[in-house]
Amino acid sequence: DTGVSQDPRHKITKRGQNVTFRCDPISEHNRLYWYRQTLGQGPEFLTYFQNEAQLEKSRLLSDRFSAERPKGSFSTLEIQRTEQGDSAMYLCASSRDAGEQFFGPGTRLTVL
Amino acid sequence: AQSVTQPDIHITVSEGASLELRCNYSYGATPYLFWYVQSPGQGLQLLLKYFSGDTLVQGIKGFEAEFKRSQSSFNLRKPSVHWSDAAEYFCAVGTYNQGGKLIFGQGTELSVKP
Repeated sequence: DTGVSQDPRHKITKRGQNVTFRCDPISEHNRLYWYRQTLGQGPEFLTYFQNEAQLEKSRLLSDRFSAERPKGSFSTLEIQRTEQGDSAMYLCASSRDAGEQFFGPGTRLTVL
Repeated sequence: AQSVTQPDIHITVSEGASLELRCNYSYGATPYLFWYVQSPGQGLQLLLKYFSGDTLVQGIKGFEAEFKRSQSSFNLRKPSVHWSDAAEYFCAVGTYNQGGKLIFGQGTELSVKP
């Protein structure tokens, strides 16, 4: 059981730069979720995929954010023109249909 | 709108003492409820879940939670806390009629005194 993995675990970038995060879900899971967690808060939903289709995006996901899940396997989350307010932990989770979600360790983003 | 409230931001208990973490939810349909634990530098780990049936659910690490529909609550309990239980605890409601996304409370940080 390899679990959900995320890469990188930490990312420090300068304001205005683009960053991309990767999530590898549990292999038989067809759903993949992205959440964002800021300090002292619970995770907030960003978007989710069923297989390769992106079915819902939160209003938190501005047009600087884009997510993909080609071939219904791994997913990437890209943030363009990063802002200091983007600093957060980005969590990925996967599940089989609407079952229990298994979370990865997260990618901590710091925007200077 | 759906929401989850954890009224206690930080709780400190002595090792060996009992623990209850409060969670209240607002959700229009039958809720699916979860408790997750997050240790520093670690991902979220599921402690227990309620989908239907018995309102008292048992989880891992000796935790249990009771679903009370009349009070819109899903409080987490443990009879005897261990130092290793110090962590952040999150209650969440699952929106199974809206794609399954989870709505989390803001969390309760648990400290354990020796």
